[in-house]
Amino acid sequence: EPEVTQTPSHQVTQMGQEVILRCVPISNHLYFYWYRQILGQKVEFLVSFYNNEISEKSEIFDDQFSVERPDGSNFTLKIRSTKLEDSAMYFCASHTGRGEKLFFGSGTQLSVL
Amino acid sequence: AQKITQTQPGMFVQEKEAVTLDCTYDTSDPSYGLFWYKQPSSGEMIFLIYQGSYDQQNATEGRYSLNFQKARKSANLVISASQLGDSAMYFCAMRDFNSGGSNYKLTFGKGTLLTVNP
Repeated sequence: EPEVTQTPSHQVTQMGQEVILRCVPISNHLYFYWYRQILGQKVEFLVSFYNNEISEKSEIFDDQFSVERPDGSNFTLKIRSTKLEDSAMYFCASHTGRGEKLFFGSGTQLSVL
Repeated sequence: AQKITQTQPGMFVQEKEAVTLDCTYDTSDPSYGLFWYKQPSSGEMIFLIYQGSYDQQNATEGRYSLNFQKARKSANLVISASQLGDSAMYFCAMRDFNSGGSNYKLTFGKGTLLTVNP
């Protein structure tokens, strides 16, 4: 079965540094998402992206966050100046626009020190 | 606002037995979708089963079935013939149809950690 691929699987960074989390959605998918899961807490929606623009974002997704689909295959999440509370597992997900199944990647564990 | 409640932080089941994981939801939207995902210790989120609010029959996918009781606003996951590999965190989630026909903004519950004992 096709997969959503996320790199790296683990990322350690210093507070205040910029990080870019990378995702390769499934090739025929049109809708892209980022979710995050702080350790021991719920999975939370961050942002949805369709037709090269953000279609919805949560309150968490402030000006420090941005998303991009730079080359038609990758889908990135950038955090400009990381904070300790950004430490979490970040999941990329994608969807065809038809059917019910939302495909998640295996996640990137971000640790901000 | 939508809300998903999973009241069981942890559940234990013997191998080969069935287990029910509880999920209740709250929404004012008449049109919604309910999901269950499995998260093994490796961290990935694996889709298990989906139930639409207008579906007449309970969803089934292999050993997974969803006991959908709309009036009670519950969507419990039933795993039959548990296997050791079923040990994982299980999340119930709801899709917000108000965000658009194809927008998958999901609201998740806190999850239930299932342990299958040999």
